[in-house]
Amino acid sequence: SYVLTQPPSVSVAPGQTATITCGGDSFRSKNVHWYQQKPGQAPVLVVYDNSDRPSGIPERFSGFHSENTATLTISRVEAGDEADYSCQVWGSSSDPVLFGGGTKLTVL
Amino acid sequence: QITLKESGPTLVKPTQTLTLTCTFSGFSLSKRGVGVGWIRQPPGKALEWLALIFWDDDQRYSPSLESRLAITKDTSKNQVVLTMTNMDPVDTATYYCAHRSESGNWYFDLWGRGTLVTVSA
Repeated sequence: SYVLTQPPSVSVAPGQTATITCGGDSFRSKNVHWYQQKPGQAPVLVVYDNSDRPSGIPERFSGFHSENTATLTISRVEAGDEADYSCQVWGSSSDPVLFGGGTKLTVL
Repeated sequence: QITLKESGPTLVKPTQTLTLTCTFSGFSLSKRGVGVGWIRQPPGKALEWLALIFWDDDQRYSPSLESRLAITKDTSKNQVVLTMTNMDPVDTATYYCAHRSESGNWYFDLWGRGTLVTVSA
């Protein structure tokens, strides 16, 4: 089955840029979506279709993907960005929704 | 404004069947392309997709749990119901329902707040 790989944790100082990766085979053919989840809260979609942002999501959040890796970049990180971030793709017709294991972003 | 809210028991015993209801507003599950999905998250663990139902009653399930799941919709009540049989303590998790936009790809643009289900004797 298709597997999405994320680093368990990423740390960044306020004002710096955070980069969170999501790896998988043949990523180029898949659209990647990203969710932010703060403690005790439901996930929030922050990037969809690789690089689009829903309304209300700051421009500081951006997405990019290449052959085998998708990247969520958070510019000018703020304390309020501290959360878990999960990637998600369409896997296959028999297993259509796949989530990565999540990455905990810590703002130092 | 789209909202979704999960409801159901907070505690179930092993081997019992769990029934969860997602009550939504702000959209119609009769509209072409729209879907409602269920996703769960065990404490401290990753999100896991369970099931998805579309406007045309197309149903999709996680292959690893398909034999235990059933998803149905009641368009007139704006509700989607998920049943999971033979519950086990490993099924202890927060269960979320979420809206899948008619705009196209398989992502969830709005989520309910979730409901914590504990499986214990």
